[in-house]
Amino acid sequence: EAEVAQSPRYKITEKSQAVAFWCDPISGHATLYWYRQILGQGPELLVQFQDESVVDDSQLPKDRFSAERLKGVDSTLKIQPAELGDSAMYLCASSYNRATNEKLFFGSGTQLSVL
Amino acid sequence: GDSVTQMEGPVTLSEEAFLTINCTYTATGYPSLFWYVQYPGEGLQLLLKATKADDKGSNKGFEATYRKETTSFHLEKGSVQVSDSAVYFCALRPERSSGGSNYKLTFGKGTLLTVNP
Repeated sequence: EAEVAQSPRYKITEKSQAVAFWCDPISGHATLYWYRQILGQGPELLVQFQDESVVDDSQLPKDRFSAERLKGVDSTLKIQPAELGDSAMYLCASSYNRATNEKLFFGSGTQLSVL
Repeated sequence: GDSVTQMEGPVTLSEEAFLTINCTYTATGYPSLFWYVQYPGEGLQLLLKATKADDKGSNKGFEATYRKETTSFHLEKGSVQVSDSAVYFCALRPERSSGGSNYKLTFGKGTLLTVNP
């Protein structure tokens, strides 16, 4: 079965540095999501794309986080500058469309540690 | 706003024991309900879903019934195996007619299940 690819798998950075995560969704999936999962919590949506357009970024801390999906395929999530509280698992997911009962496919995530 | 409440973990069972993980939700109308599972070191996978009241989702021996009257979607399995050890997340997606342009998935905090041989 096709998978959502994410890299890097782990990232350790120092406070105030810039970090970037990459996601390649399943081919043909128009909808792409970035979730943040803090240890012991459920995933929380940061940003949702439909093709190359942002559908929802209401929970994205826009002063330091940015996300793009320029060609409507792969996506990059950036944090600049990183803060200690950003330590979490960053999950990418994709779906064929954004219907209410559509199945999401998740990648394995990028585990970020900010020191 | 929409929310999902799961029973606190961790849950530790012996192999072949009966499993129940409680999940209740708050949302308007008839949201779609999901259980996702996260095995160690992996991303989340859809386990089962139900899209309308009284629907029963099932997969791999797991079941959950959408109960509108109690706003619940409890996960059950009659006989757990060591390989079922994972974190289980209950989630909802709002009904299309509830408005808005986004139908984002809202997750509970997750319940860690450990099954011992």
